[in-house]
Amino acid sequence: NAGVMQNPRHLVRRRGQEARLRCSPMKGHSHVYWYRQLPEEGLKFMVYLQKENIIDESGMPKERFSAEFPKEGPSILRIQQVVRGDSAAYFCASSPSAGGQETQYFGPGTRLLVL
Amino acid sequence: GENVEQHPSTLSVQEGDSAVIKCTYSDSASNYFPWYKQELGKRPQLIIDIRSNVGEKKDQRIAVTLNKTAKHFSLHITETQPEDSAVYFCAASPGGKLIFGQGTELSVKP
Repeated sequence: NAGVMQNPRHLVRRRGQEARLRCSPMKGHSHVYWYRQLPEEGLKFMVYLQKENIIDESGMPKERFSAEFPKEGPSILRIQQVVRGDSAAYFCASSPSAGGQETQYFGPGTRLLVL
Repeated sequence: GENVEQHPSTLSVQEGDSAVIKCTYSDSASNYFPWYKQELGKRPQLIIDIRSNVGEKKDQRIAVTLNKTAKHFSLHITETQPEDSAVYFCAASPGGKLIFGQGTELSVKP
């Protein structure tokens, strides 16, 4: 049973470009969460999605950031017009169901570097 | 919203000693409390979790205690080994999302 997959593992973008980060949850998991980890800092919740639905986006910056989890395919975190402050590790996690007591399994992360 | 405070930020122990990391949370609706270990450059890995209907859980050298009245929970690692060196994060879940503490960098000296 493959774990949570993320790609790319490393992404370099110049300021103003777009970054697209992909996350495939574990088989059988229908809930996806995105977290951001700035250098030398902790993990900050960004968004929680179920297939075709955003459940909680309270941690998402108001501009430039968007997320989706379509019926088919991976979840996508999209950052438009990247700035240097977006440089961070972006982790996705998945769980089999909701309810707040389900274990979340993390992917390997995408390390974004903005030049 | 939920806020999780974690202490200490760094902890250094001798191999074989015990290590204790403490967290407090603010939202009484939180009912799930996992602990993750993160090695440098790696993903967070779940090491133990506790749900609100129990006060203590143990898995070999690792134990977690939860006091819902006081809104705090702790991680205990006994007989520490050099490979326990990592950053440890506590978290609380008020419903779906995880709110993490700031992390504790544990160093186990041989």
